[in-house]
Amino acid sequence: SQQGEEDPQALSIQEGENATMNCSYKTSINNLQWYRQNSGRGLVHLILIRSNEREKHSGRLRVTLDTSKKSSSLLITASRAADTASYFCATQGGSEKLVFGKGTKLTVNP
Amino acid sequence: EAGVAQSPRYKIIEKRQSVAFWCNPISGHATLYWYQQILGQGPKLLIQFQNNGVVDDSQLPKDRFSAERLKGVDSTLKIQPAKLEDSAVYLCASSSTRYSYNEQFFGPGTRLTVL
Repeated sequence: SQQGEEDPQALSIQEGENATMNCSYKTSINNLQWYRQNSGRGLVHLILIRSNEREKHSGRLRVTLDTSKKSSSLLITASRAADTASYFCATQGGSEKLVFGKGTKLTVNP
Repeated sequence: EAGVAQSPRYKIIEKRQSVAFWCNPISGHATLYWYQQILGQGPKLLIQFQNNGVVDDSQLPKDRFSAERLKGVDSTLKIQPAKLEDSAVYLCASSSTRYSYNEQFFGPGTRLTVL
């Protein structure tokens, strides 16, 4: 079974706009990771946030984590057409297994 | 550094046939993973190796799937016999250590179609 549930399932925005994706999970975690997948480059790690962190930034990416609500959000600012991809959250708990959600399909229109 | 290599990239077979996938992880990465990704879903872990030992194969359908990593480097995943529901992308990933919760590096995947 999959741990994370991304919301929305699909998102379409214009270039330059911000994109926000949410992830909810069910059990306690050690960290939560976001990955991007497109046909050109496969699955690529974007950012990791540990359970004792609340917010993390990497370039145009901002990730928040609320362990009390068991939820995370990924914000992509000033989106580009090249950001078009599917985005997955993945949780890692005591078993070390990385458990992926179903993903959010982001389309950035030029 | 070179990434995770997988072959073949695409494979089409008839149901009940056998198929094998190959993965070469990033040099020096002790941990290797095989995932199955069905269309529209996220990857699901099938098996995790630490060097040449199995750490987790709880979601591997052992009646038809097998995997090995004999020398602790490259790995093969086999399906015998294949079913229609095995149509998916098979992803191989590697990471440098088991306990540091590092990111996993993924290969391009093998897209399997079972007819």
